Amino acid sequence: KAGVTQTPRYLIKTRGQQVTLSCSPISGHRSVSWYQQTPGQGLQFLFEYFSETQRNKGNFPGRFSGRQFSNSRSEMNVSTLELGDSALYLCASSFSPRADTEAFFGQGTRLTVV
Amino acid sequence: TQLLEQSPQFLSIQEGENLTVYCNSSSVFSSLQWYRQEPGEGPVLLVTVVTGGEVKKLKRLTFQFGDARKDSSLHITAAQPGDTGLYLCAGEEGNNRLAFGKGNQVVVIP
Repeated sequence: KAGVTQTPRYLIKTRGQQVTLSCSPISGHRSVSWYQQTPGQGLQFLFEYFSETQRNKGNFPGRFSGRQFSNSRSEMNVSTLELGDSALYLCASSFSPRADTEAFFGQGTRLTVV
Repeated sequence: TQLLEQSPQFLSIQEGENLTVYCNSSSVFSSLQWYRQEPGEGPVLLVTVVTGGEVKKLKRLTFQFGDARKDSSLHITAAQPGDTGLYLCAGEEGNNRLAFGKGNQVVVIP
């Protein structure tokens, strides 16, 4: 079956702009989580959605937001981009929202803010 | 403060050598997961350990969960270039959220 698909793979934006990233989970998976990965901080949890509801949110400013659609596809949005937002953004899908369930990751979106 | 500390941060070895990397915490986990991430890819789950003292083997990889369920180790026997990657440990930090360590970057030189 198809894996987790993230689009776009690469993105370059200017400070102050906003960006929307997309994630299509594995068919049948209703839980989608987003992570930010940087060399200094590693993988940091952003938020998790299950059945169109945000169930969990990490310690990120309100500029970071997300949503999930009825087909389980998810988007995350970052407004007023800052240089420090440059990172690899990873989406993971799983069958269950339980944290100990296997998470399947996409290849990520590499965001560069200049 | 990082919930999960991984050491060493970076390790470079010759093909055929053995290596061990560690994942430590002051917190008790009901389970720990190990992922491997290759360049340009997302992490892929290797194993989940759930019982204190548990040892799991995946071909040349041996995973151990500490008796107190606060730490875990990954041992690779006769490393091959295909083992190169970032090894991440992850555990539930409460509130049903998965926390990751910063990873062990392993490079196996042919």
